[in-house]
Amino acid sequence: AQTVTQSQPEMSVQEAETVTLSCTYDTSENNYYLFWYKQPPSRQMILVIRQEAYKQQNATENRFSVNFQKAAKSFSLKISDSQLGDTAMYFCAFMSPSGTYKYIFGTGTRLKVLA
Amino acid sequence: KAGVTQTPRYLIKTRGQQVTLSCSPISGHRSVSWYQQTPGQGLQFLFEYFSETQRNKGNFPGRFSGRQFSNSRSEMNVSTLELGDSALYLCASSDPGQASGNTIYFGEGSWLTVV
Repeated sequence: AQTVTQSQPEMSVQEAETVTLSCTYDTSENNYYLFWYKQPPSRQMILVIRQEAYKQQNATENRFSVNFQKAAKSFSLKISDSQLGDTAMYFCAFMSPSGTYKYIFGTGTRLKVLA
Repeated sequence: KAGVTQTPRYLIKTRGQQVTLSCSPISGHRSVSWYQQTPGQGLQFLFEYFSETQRNKGNFPGRFSGRQFSNSRSEMNVSTLELGDSALYLCASSDPGQASGNTIYFGEGSWLTVV
């Protein structure tokens, strides 16, 4: 069974600084999808970034980028120029194409951006 | 496009009662999935529907059920409520026909409190 591990329960970063959130996963499949979702205090889950395992190039979305290491089964999220609005829970998620939208989520990292 | 809409947003039920939660997906999205979020268990997959058919089901007791209508709207039902069913129930939709079809987009959730 696939598992997703986020080993950092809480992190903090100064505004305008860079922070990296870690995520590791376990799977025997070769093709799959990885995601980072953000859940602010409003509790709505918002997609931050997605990565297809068959793509070697790391995904980027504005200030958000990932470091995808397939062999190491690692998928970290880097937030550059952190803003107060980035304060939220961040969840890493895995989905197998055969899983028909059954996402496996990590336990989350609570990120606080300090002014 | 309007996002995923969930109703009701907040509700309080008594042990032993049943509850029905509703979800309207993003227009054009035919897949709807449900997740339960609790502090202790995190985000857990309940089930996924596509074209009125349940394609996948998580590890939840039979008290949890769902259905999808021809307009892709979905409902989930929990019967014989227990205190442990108190949670945020999140609905998500996706469009398998799109290039990013493996990405799910969440609603704001329904907060259920069982007393």
